[in-house]
Amino acid sequence: DADVTQTPRNRITKTGKRIMLECSQTKGHDRMYWYRQDPGLGLRLIYYSFDVKDINKGEISDGYSVSRQAQAKFSLSLESAIPNQTALYFCATSDFRQGQETQYFGPGTRLLVL
Amino acid sequence: GENVEQHPSTLSVQEGDSAVIKCTYSDSASNYFPWYKQELGKGPQLIIDIRSNVGEKKDQRIAVTLNKTAKHFSLHITETQPEDSAVYFCAAVESGGSYIPTFGRGTSLIVHP
Repeated sequence: DADVTQTPRNRITKTGKRIMLECSQTKGHDRMYWYRQDPGLGLRLIYYSFDVKDINKGEISDGYSVSRQAQAKFSLSLESAIPNQTALYFCATSDFRQGQETQYFGPGTRLLVL
Repeated sequence: GENVEQHPSTLSVQEGDSAVIKCTYSDSASNYFPWYKQELGKGPQLIIDIRSNVGEKKDQRIAVTLNKTAKHFSLHITETQPEDSAVYFCAAVESGGSYIPTFGRGTSLIVHP
């Protein structure tokens, strides 16, 4: 769905490096989410934001931080990357103001930490 | 918190057969149950959903059933086609609460031509 974009799509980094994954949306939705997908573990919530001034930890926030720079932008940072953070990362949005539960996912960022 | 179990983790069928994926949830406050399909190289996309006041919902070849008493819901795909091959996720949501979905671990469906 081109309305939710993620950059980069692929990233290889080394242990200890700081990296940032970026998400932008043109859907005008208020809520944004970061998920991590690992084989056999499904989608696990890292952080979510209900609006620009609201940030909440999800199920697996340790080792991650986020920034909601604007309604349309939500970034995920790994302060000091470690190999077990190798995964597929998804950004998603939803429109809470309309009472909609549907989540709209970006195409994902595949991260490899060496 | 909510816990969603999804089975099987992998499902292999022949084209034209039916496929069934089952999920159970633990929190009786959950009242909205979406299903997402993730095609290779893409993000998950909503394909069908059901609310707790409905027992069954159909959309062409796909249907979802819900048993609130037993706390389980299922996705049914009839006349499977190769393009149905994907990873499917179920989720449970407390609509009217946090609206944060709890996802199952996913089912990889493979449809053999």
